[in-house]
Amino acid sequence: AQTVTQSQPEMSVQEAETVTLSCTYDTSESDYYLFWYKQPPSRQMILVIRQEAYKQQNATENRFSVNFQKAAKSFSLKISDSQLGDAAMYFCAYNTGTASKLTFGTGTRLQVTL
Amino acid sequence: ETGVTQTPRHLVMGMTNKKSLKCEQHLGHNAMYWYKQSAKKPLELMFVYSLEERVENNSVPSRFSPECPNSSHLFLHLHTLQPEDSALYLCASSQQALNYEQYFGPGTRLTVT
Repeated sequence: AQTVTQSQPEMSVQEAETVTLSCTYDTSESDYYLFWYKQPPSRQMILVIRQEAYKQQNATENRFSVNFQKAAKSFSLKISDSQLGDAAMYFCAYNTGTASKLTFGTGTRLQVTL
Repeated sequence: ETGVTQTPRHLVMGMTNKKSLKCEQHLGHNAMYWYKQSAKKPLELMFVYSLEERVENNSVPSRFSPECPNSSHLFLHLHTLQPEDSALYLCASSQQALNYEQYFGPGTRLTVT
């Protein structure tokens, strides 16, 4: 069974600083997709960034980037120049197969302080 | 309306009541999902509909009954729930078979008394 582990239940970062959220996963598949989702207090889950396992290049979306280490099955999220609006629960997720069945981690709550 | 909408946003029901949660997606997707989100637990996938057919049912109790009348609408019918069913129920949609990301609705906060 596929599992996704987020070992940091809570993280805190100062505004304008950089923070890295960790995620590891377990799979026997060779082709899959990884995602980071953000769930702010309003609770609408939104996609932050996605990574295809067959791509060696790390995905980047503005201030958000990932460090994808396929051999280590690690998929961390780096947030640069943190903003107050980045405060949220962040979920790492994995998917494979045609039904787009997502497996989620337990989430990391990120606090952004002044 | 754009994206994925869910109604109601909040629901309080007794254990003997019958209610339904509604989800509507305006993205032209052909797959829809129900998830249960409880505190300190990963999101639990409950049901998957692809092209209006149920393709996944993750051992969900029969007191939860999904319905997908067309590719834009998804319902979750609830009856004789238990207090432990209190949670946030999230609907999502995606374009099936492309391994693309899922788009989520805002959720329905359900409290069973």
